Amino acid sequence: DAKTTQPPSMDCAEGRAANLPCNHSTISGNEYVYWYRQIHSQGPQYIIHGLKNNETNEMASLIITEDRKSSTLILPHATLRDTAVYYCIVRVATEGNTPLVFGKGTRLSVIA
Amino acid sequence: GAVVSQHPSWVICKSGTSVKIECRSLDFQATTMFWYRQFPKQSLMLMATSNEGSKATYEQGVEKDKFLINHASLTLSTLTVTSAHPEDSSFYICSARDPLGSSGSSYEQYFGPGTRLTVT
Repeated sequence: DAKTTQPPSMDCAEGRAANLPCNHSTISGNEYVYWYRQIHSQGPQYIIHGLKNNETNEMASLIITEDRKSSTLILPHATLRDTAVYYCIVRVATEGNTPLVFGKGTRLSVIA
Repeated sequence: GAVVSQHPSWVICKSGTSVKIECRSLDFQATTMFWYRQFPKQSLMLMATSNEGSKATYEQGVEKDKFLINHASLTLSTLTVTSAHPEDSSFYICSARDPLGSSGSSYEQYFGPGTRLTVT
């Protein structure tokens, strides 16, 4: 019962920015937006998370709309190694002892 | 970030035998670990929550007598698939949270690399 909606797949040209959308219209005030990715046959990898402000780290940027009902993960210069399934997850940040619930995610294919 | 390892990375076993998968937190202590299962082209499905020093909590539909979980120390949880059958063939992944935030944050969960189980 994932609380997010993502497109099943997207393509992106190598070197271009990859913009992955996520809808979370029922997000609560104390819930954060988390992004993980899973490269084929590997465990998921944490990317970034945010509450309401835009966030940036060495991997990506996270843009959250003002009403917090949707967000976009931006990979500024996609490479072939960014090909993976990207998962958008909402949860209360302090609930560290509760598991992450994964939806179907977006399969991003970076094309040379 | 914190590191979680799994062993073995892949295993092939015969139907009816048991297989043990280990999940270790390498540079932090984890009171709680989670076990997931992933079938081809599907998302991760939570199987159970492993709590150090107490019984695991299983998700609905997961047979606790078939998937035995032991979390005997703060750095090790094991999942034993008993009397494995071909339908148990899957990718098993564990995750753990660093409660003390020694990795910089106490909120992210860190995942192991996964164990691919094939039952013939």
